[in-house]
Amino acid sequence: GDSVTQMEGPVTLSEEACLTINCTYTATGYPSLFWYVQYPGEGLQLLLKATKADDKGSNKGFEATYRKETTSFHLEKGSVQVSDSAVYFCALSKGNSNYQLIWGAGTKLIIKP
Amino acid sequence: GAGVSQTPSNKVTEKGKYVELRCDPISGHTALYWYRQSLGQGPEFLIYFQGTGAADDSGLPNDRFFAVRPEGSVSTLKIQRTERGDSAVYLCASSQIASIETQYFGPGTRLLVL
Repeated sequence: GDSVTQMEGPVTLSEEACLTINCTYTATGYPSLFWYVQYPGEGLQLLLKATKADDKGSNKGFEATYRKETTSFHLEKGSVQVSDSAVYFCALSKGNSNYQLIWGAGTKLIIKP
Repeated sequence: GAGVSQTPSNKVTEKGKYVELRCDPISGHTALYWYRQSLGQGPEFLIYFQGTGAADDSGLPNDRFFAVRPEGSVSTLKIQRTERGDSAVYLCASSQIASIETQYFGPGTRLLVL
């Protein structure tokens, strides 16, 4: 069945470092892909999305490109801040559902000043 | 309040007990969703309400789990005869229409079954 695999965390970086969190997927059809973020003590928030191959989603300095050939949707940011410390989840839309997602296990990101 | 709220924030119970978890969605949101997030995992879909009715309960793991939304607003997730494996964070989300992108998530209820 469809699935999402994320790199294990925690990922620990210094402020202003470059970030990449890997996400690969297996899916039939052409799912939409998403990154969510969960800040400490807060609810999950949609960070960015891409709906078709070669689309690039971006928000708050984060980017991810839908790569069909490598079945990947890696999250990147050029210069991280302490405030980016959170858990990041990669997800894909499930089948024909307009409300269900298949989620990765999440990657905890820790940014040190 | 402006966002989705869930109560209690933490619940500790003993194996075999009954628990109720409450979700207050954003006012006017007709769609409401429950998820379970086990430690180190992503959310797992449980049930989706459209208005008062459960439009999709395919994610409920067994008949010990039940959810209601009698007036189309507040929802309660009920777990009977709790087991240690039910320990998880239970998330609620709401949206104006059934949609992935517009779901607003609550902070969750952390359930620990001893």
